[in-house]
Amino acid sequence: DARVTQTPRHKVTEMGQEVTMRCQPILGHNTVFWYRQTMMQGLELLAYFRNRAPLDDSGMPKDRFSAEMPDATLATLKIQPSEPRDSAVYFCASGLKSGVNNEQFFGPGTRLTVL
Amino acid sequence: GQSLEQPSEVTAVEGAIVQINCTYQTSGFYGLSWYQQHDGGAPTFLSYNALDGLEETGRFSSFLSRSDSYGYLLLQELQMKDSASYFCAVFNDYKLSFGAGTTVTVRA
Repeated sequence: DARVTQTPRHKVTEMGQEVTMRCQPILGHNTVFWYRQTMMQGLELLAYFRNRAPLDDSGMPKDRFSAEMPDATLATLKIQPSEPRDSAVYFCASGLKSGVNNEQFFGPGTRLTVL
Repeated sequence: GQSLEQPSEVTAVEGAIVQINCTYQTSGFYGLSWYQQHDGGAPTFLSYNALDGLEETGRFSSFLSRSDSYGYLLLQELQMKDSASYFCAVFNDYKLSFGAGTTVTVRA
């Protein structure tokens, strides 16, 4: 049963601390997305990778956020330093470029609380 | 940029039919997707329309009119498990831009 996995599922941290979220996309998928979901802003695209190359990070605050794919089985999203306004659920999704219906498969999310 | 509008809430009884409308304005358009999200869960794919017309998948159907920049999701024979948020999303090359979501509450 192929699925996207994310760790940690929950993270509580204090303002100023570094946060690293990890994602394992579905094996064989060549696109990876990071989204942030809040009540106020809804689902926002933060970053997009295709074949491990970052192609779009226009939705990401560059001064504190960074996203990487060190290999095909791991994508990371890092916040340094974290701020209370970063509190949100962060979803990773994967898919196939030109896949059937352009479907994106979402992981269970990381619920981040920054105090 | 993209903007999508859909109703914020819909309430209906079990067995009823619900239609969630979505209008969009976009600088590029490949198709319209629908995703379902249960409370505390991840969004899951429901449907995708690239061409005008109706796509049916079991109890759920989705419609698109490209000339009207309009689509809808039709939920038939509502069940309690259909209580969730439903998002329309414009697909543009690789990117999904989501609407704010419609919370559907199904009552017994």
